[in-house]
Amino acid sequence: EVQLVESGGGLVQPGGSLRLSCAASGFTFSSYEMNWVRQAPGKGLEWVSYISSSGSTIYYADSVKGRFSISRDNAKNSLYLQMNSLRAEDTAVYYCARGNRLSGSSLWGQGTLVTVSS
Amino acid sequence: DIQMTQSPSSLSASVGDRVTITCRASQSISSYLNWYHQKPGKAPKLLIYAASSLQSGVPSRFSGSGSGTDFTLTISSLQPEDFATYYCQHTYTTPFTFGPGTIVDIK
Repeated sequence: EVQLVESGGGLVQPGGSLRLSCAASGFTFSSYEMNWVRQAPGKGLEWVSYISSSGSTIYYADSVKGRFSISRDNAKNSLYLQMNSLRAEDTAVYYCARGNRLSGSSLWGQGTLVTVSS
Repeated sequence: DIQMTQSPSSLSASVGDRVTITCRASQSISSYLNWYHQKPGKAPKLLIYAASSLQSGVPSRFSGSGSGTDFTLTISSLQPEDFATYYCQHTYTTPFTFGPGTIVDIK
């Protein structure tokens, strides 16, 4: 089955760190560009980060630049988001999504909730 | 950064109605515009990419049009499963901003 499964969310204190993972299956992960998108409770969607299929090109939203780091391991069919210096406003469901500029994000994971609170 | 707006912010409609949602970009984005819908507690689902291309498996009652700064999503005959929140997103340049969403609910 073609799917993405996120993990690693949870409760973390302000200033803390968390690493999210996204496990891909059912397709050739190394051929696809990937994104992280988040959604704060009751709010809209916010694009967070992009990584090219090889990992050589990376972009971030200004709101996370310098604090978050996206990476991938094509041998393990996995995408990661390292989140440091977490703030209350980072509280959200984080989705990994397969997609590119031309054809949008056609495959999404179920999301993992990150709660930043003391 | 390119800002995205949507109108209306919400609408009430009946099954069988024709529904139109508009998305506007703060500068030209060519045809780098995608449409998604999302139901509560679920991940977004891609409906339209590149402004007017129907994603595989999406019913033909969904259609998209536009280029430059003004875009439209049309549902020709609203079905019960279409009640959801609809988002546009540009992928012209980073950040790949989403619109604020349009809630489509039952009249």
